[in-house]
Amino acid sequence: NAGVTQTPKFRILKIGQSMTLQCTQDMNHNYMYWYRQDPGMGLKLIYYSVGAGITDKGEVPNGYNVSRSTTEDFPLRLELAAPSQTSVYFCASSPTGVSNQPQHFGDGTRLSIL
Amino acid sequence: RKEVEQDPGPFNVPEGATVAFNCTYSNSASQSFFWYRQDCRKEPKLLMSVYSSGNEDGRFTAQLNRASQYISLLIRDSKLSDSATYLCVVNRDTGRRALTFGSGTRLQVQP
Repeated sequence: NAGVTQTPKFRILKIGQSMTLQCTQDMNHNYMYWYRQDPGMGLKLIYYSVGAGITDKGEVPNGYNVSRSTTEDFPLRLELAAPSQTSVYFCASSPTGVSNQPQHFGDGTRLSIL
Repeated sequence: RKEVEQDPGPFNVPEGATVAFNCTYSNSASQSFFWYRQDCRKEPKLLMSVYSSGNEDGRFTAQLNRASQYISLLIRDSKLSDSATYLCVVNRDTGRRALTFGSGTRLQVQP
């Protein structure tokens, strides 16, 4: 059982480049999330989705875009990479319904913008 | 004020010690509460949910005080393998089921 899979695991970008961080889950979860974690800090929500075709902004959405065309996939796009976007990015998913369901996280993508 | 606040530590304790972490949250509408564990350069993993009545899982005990908006985690008989960062996490259950994370408390258990 793969759970939540993120690719790539590491990436170095130049300022102004664009890229897409991939996230897929095989648990048929409706809710999916993107977080970023800066050194020594907690995770901050970038975007989330409550189902295919539905996305919404989290706390720190500027500079990012998402799409959710299928239940399984929730890619995160950086259009014009900036040094402030150097961070570790985590994708997570959770089932619908009960509010105390935990989230399942992917391994993370370590992104450096130089 | 941060929505979820934790003492960053680090807490350096010998093996076998008992250690307690505290966490406060600012939003009284918060509905569910968790402790996650995060190893260095790894993803967060659920350690335990926190219930109003308090709950225990082996050497770990979690407590919630809704009136004081305070959450605690007690680890008894610390093991070297308990060394990690412990994240206090709340869910305001606004419909998006998104979690609000504290910055974490680092624990280093020493031989």
